Amino acid sequence: DTEVTQTPKHLVMGMTNKKSLKCEQHMGHRAMYWYKQKAKKPPELMFVYSYEKLSINESVPSRFSPECPNSSLLNLHLHALQPEDSALYLCASSQVGLAGAKYEQYFGPGTRLTVT
Amino acid sequence: AQSVTQLGSHVSVSEGALVLLRCNYSSSVPPYLFWYVQYPNQGLQLLLKYTSAATLVKGINGFEAEFKKSETSFHLTKPSAHMSDAAEYFCAVRKANAGGTSYGKLTFGQGTILTVHP
Repeated sequence: DTEVTQTPKHLVMGMTNKKSLKCEQHMGHRAMYWYKQKAKKPPELMFVYSYEKLSINESVPSRFSPECPNSSLLNLHLHALQPEDSALYLCASSQVGLAGAKYEQYFGPGTRLTVT
Repeated sequence: AQSVTQLGSHVSVSEGALVLLRCNYSSSVPPYLFWYVQYPNQGLQLLLKYTSAATLVKGINGFEAEFKKSETSFHLTKPSAHMSDAAEYFCAVRKANAGGTSYGKLTFGQGTILTVHP
């Protein structure tokens, strides 16, 4: 099974709402990632978790709060977002190891977020 | 720091024609290189990767790429385009963090949109 699943597929939220995006993988990967992708642009890395610990935060605003409750799950909690946060949010996972850079990332289908 | 440049934001070919998508990288150490494809409103799917084994890498859907260190290139090719190949293609580079620990940041090119005409 090489699948990364994400829910929901689409989300519309107001600027005062609190919502969460969910990501799950059962490939035994111990690195998980959140990316943000605007239209006609490449994905931009937001967060990296390695062994359930936050390893990289790419200076993301605090209105985005990641959580990794176990090795299979990754959440992204959203609060007080702005319209410019509307984008496709992609989750990915990969193996880790001493030569971890060679391991490909497997991407989920994404959540299309619209902030009104 | 490593970077990737994809030459041509749009490439248009006829069905059955050769597909050539260009990618040049800049890296201070030998990189790992990846090509991903993204269909509209979907996530990214790995086409192929170079991890310092064979320089000619074969991937899925008939795609292949050749790593040329002297040219710092990793161009993606397919001999005969299908309508189903129409999508956006991203080249990405990755190197290990200092000390070669578990992962390195994946840096994407700006993407090339491939259009296939009947």
